[in-house]
Amino acid sequence: AQSVAQPEDQVNVAEGNPLTVKCTYSVSGNPYLFWYVQYPNRGLQFLLKYITGDNLVKGSYGFEAEFNKSQTSFHLKKPSALVSDSALYFCAVTGTASKLTFGTGTRLQVTL
Amino acid sequence: ETGVTQTPRHLVMGMTNKKSLKCEQHLGHNAMYWYKQSAKKPLELMFVYSLEERVENNSVPSRFSPECPNSSHLFLHLHTLQPEDSALYLCASSQAGFAYTEAFFGQGTRLTVV
Repeated sequence: AQSVAQPEDQVNVAEGNPLTVKCTYSVSGNPYLFWYVQYPNRGLQFLLKYITGDNLVKGSYGFEAEFNKSQTSFHLKKPSALVSDSALYFCAVTGTASKLTFGTGTRLQVTL
Repeated sequence: ETGVTQTPRHLVMGMTNKKSLKCEQHLGHNAMYWYKQSAKKPLELMFVYSLEERVENNSVPSRFSPECPNSSHLFLHLHTLQPEDSALYLCASSQAGFAYTEAFFGQGTRLTVV
């Protein structure tokens, strides 16, 4: 069965500092990996995805993610965090089953 | 605006009521999903419709009844709910058969069962 682990319930970072939100996955076959963001009382918004090719994927709002096959990881990163980035972030994976499986989410808190 | 619209945004219902949640997408997708999001729990996939046929039902109680009359519309009919059913219900759509395409989510319906 495929699964996604987001080991941190919450990540705290000061505005202007780099941020990383961690994600590891388990899936049969080649993984398709996604990051979504959720603001309070809103649905999930797609940020970026990895299908194939370059391991560094760039997405919306300055976010990027690095795919590491040997470590089965897909960590979300941003060079300089903004207070407005504070939200709930979900990592997700599909594989040969074409079923989207989400992690439990990581709350990002960016402070001044 | 993601192209997926859910109504109502908020719903308060008694345990003996019957209500329906509605989802509409204008993205040309042919797969639609219902998810349940409860506090401090993983996102739970409830139902999947692909090409208007239900292809997945993840052991959801029968008090939740989905309906997909066409590829653009999805309903979740609710009856005799329990307080633990209070949650954010999210609808999503995607292109069926393409595992690498992202899903688009509606803003959700916040359901409170009293």
